[in-house]
Amino acid sequence: QKEVEQNSGPLSVPEGAIASLNCTYSDRGSQSFFWYRQYSGKSPELIMSIYSNGDKEDGRFTAQLNKASQYVSLLIRDSQPSDSATYLCAVTMIKAAGNKLTFGGGTRVLVKP
Amino acid sequence: DGGITQSPKYLFRKEGQNVTLSCEQNLNHDAMYWYRQDPGQGLRLIYYSQIVNDFQKGDIAEGYSVSREKKESFPLTVTSAQKNPTAFYLCASSIGWRSFTNTEAFFGQGTRLTVV
Repeated sequence: QKEVEQNSGPLSVPEGAIASLNCTYSDRGSQSFFWYRQYSGKSPELIMSIYSNGDKEDGRFTAQLNKASQYVSLLIRDSQPSDSATYLCAVTMIKAAGNKLTFGGGTRVLVKP
Repeated sequence: DGGITQSPKYLFRKEGQNVTLSCEQNLNHDAMYWYRQDPGQGLRLIYYSQIVNDFQKGDIAEGYSVSREKKESFPLTVTSAQKNPTAFYLCASSIGWRSFTNTEAFFGQGTRLTVV
């Protein structure tokens, strides 16, 4: 079982619709959760961080965390063609040797005009 | 300007050679990470370090080595033992163990390594 799992996609959504991305993780001791966006050939950029159960909204993005279900999601409202990218879920796991930041395989999102 | 600098941006290696990728940060971050990304894949953790003079193997450490002699620097050496080194290499840093929040990682621009 992978430590962080995502559906690879592609997730195709029409412009203006809501894109819903999911991520599950295996380590119950995980503490911090992040969503990054990565355009082709570029390095990842942080779009959301979430540390406690519930929802966190920032502009058109909403992150949802459910630690009991070991599940974190990202909603993108009013999707734009510029949102077409790969979205990476990342989880910080507390290890004796230090905090380990692990990424999922990414979900590719295509927003069609 | 605060940030993470990786160099070089592109690197070509002959088979059997060792090469070293540079990563420097001026964010005063304790934690630093190296990831490898293959086309169409996610990021796989090679090594990570929480403090100076200490580092841990990630999920794919074989064929790689690192050092952390200074807080600002975390160079990665790709050795000849790494049989398939062609990939995009990303360095990241975060505040680390000093905080339970605001622990997001920030990335350098990456180094694209090609074996010729």
